[in-house]
Amino acid sequence: GENVEQHPSTLSVQEGDSAVIKCTYSDSASNYFPWYKQELGKRPQLIIDIRSNVGEKKDQRIAVTLNKTAKHFSLHITETQPEDSAVYFCAATNAGKSTFGDGTTLTVKP
Amino acid sequence: DVKVTQSSRYLVKRTGEKVFLECVQDMDHENMFWYRQDPGLGLRLIYFSYDVKMKEKGDIPEGYSVSREKKERFSLILESASTNQTSMYLCASSRGGLVYGYTFGSGTRLTVV
Repeated sequence: GENVEQHPSTLSVQEGDSAVIKCTYSDSASNYFPWYKQELGKRPQLIIDIRSNVGEKKDQRIAVTLNKTAKHFSLHITETQPEDSAVYFCAATNAGKSTFGDGTTLTVKP
Repeated sequence: DVKVTQSSRYLVKRTGEKVFLECVQDMDHENMFWYRQDPGLGLRLIYFSYDVKMKEKGDIPEGYSVSREKKERFSLILESASTNQTSMYLCASSRGGLVYGYTFGSGTRLTVV
């Protein structure tokens, strides 16, 4: 089955700095890569996604990149703000079913 | 605006009890999923369903079963609860097809004593 590894497990940045979270996956059949943000005590929420036929996607301060050959994808957050503090999960999806990474706890210090 | 509803936010059950966790979505989604979330282990898939009366095992189905009698409702059943099933359970749904993200419920924190 699919295996997703996510790094780092914790990340602390100063407000205004950039944050990068990286994931690798094992199954070349995976074709959809969403990212979820989970604030403390709340449900995970989809923040951005990328399909296998696209190399990069941007939405305001967040962007995702995908390298299918190397089987890795990354989340980039620019100009971080305290409200970006949360746990972020990457996922690799095959046949509509997602396998998640273990999560990255991002702390943005004011 | 709530689209995926889990019936209980917190639940405490005794070892050996049969436990039902209910999930209802109002978005007419074909796909529904049950995950458990444990610290440091991410989200692990228990069971999923692509259609009514259809179910598929995920990565950790042992000790669980599911029921999907109606499109909007997906139930997770713990046949005989054990302490190692203490966890946060998350239900999710998505549109049919292969490339859509999930909408999650708020989760049920189950404690088995």
